[in-house]
Amino acid sequence: DTGVSQDPRHKITKRGQNVTFRCDPISEHNRLYWYRQTLGQGPEFLTYFQNEAQLEKSRLLSDRFSAERPKGSFSTLEIQRTEQGDSAMYLCASSHFLWGQGLDNYGYTFGSGTRLTVV
Amino acid sequence: DAKTTQPPSMDCAEGRAANLPCNHSTISGNEYVYWYRQIHSQGPQYIIHGLKNNETNEMASLIITEDRKSSTLILPHATLRDTAVYYCIVRVGEANAGGTSYGKLTFGQGTILTVHP
Repeated sequence: DTGVSQDPRHKITKRGQNVTFRCDPISEHNRLYWYRQTLGQGPEFLTYFQNEAQLEKSRLLSDRFSAERPKGSFSTLEIQRTEQGDSAMYLCASSHFLWGQGLDNYGYTFGSGTRLTVV
Repeated sequence: DAKTTQPPSMDCAEGRAANLPCNHSTISGNEYVYWYRQIHSQGPQYIIHGLKNNETNEMASLIITEDRKSSTLILPHATLRDTAVYYCIVRVGEANAGGTSYGKLTFGQGTILTVHP
């Protein structure tokens, strides 16, 4: 396993266009997270899945954003009608959590991100 | 989750120990201290975490004060490849969250550590 993969690494799009990013987590991980990072700031949580269920969404995730994890494996993050303020690095992370085991951070692995530039 | 305070930047000479401080004066009894780092153009990387005892792994050591209001991440022999942004995060452990925690990490702005030759 090569870790968490994100595709594409870079995306330049015109304002108003739709974009979709893909994340392939570590295969045995049941949790998948999306974060957004702007220049000079730490990553900000967007949403998280446990298997195929989306269990939490940040208020940062406006109705133009949608995320899916249809079979509990890879995930997609779509941004509709992109705006210049959407320009950021979009990070995906995965982990494996078992109830009763406690912390899952040993396996909290980030991908290298997709850098989106909206022009 | 408790808020953390870190210095914005620090320098360290290659081969010397890098000691990165973090204040978390409002930490609760069931909150853990985590450290991640982010090298330029990569995603954050887990380093170490602890509750109240000092911890050591192959990457670093974590020293938590007895009152748990502050901690120090120690990189014993810093190399140029340790140049990165280091984030200190506190959060409730899953087992202590009554099943409501979802593992979200709340990042601050971190400390930019520059290791120079």
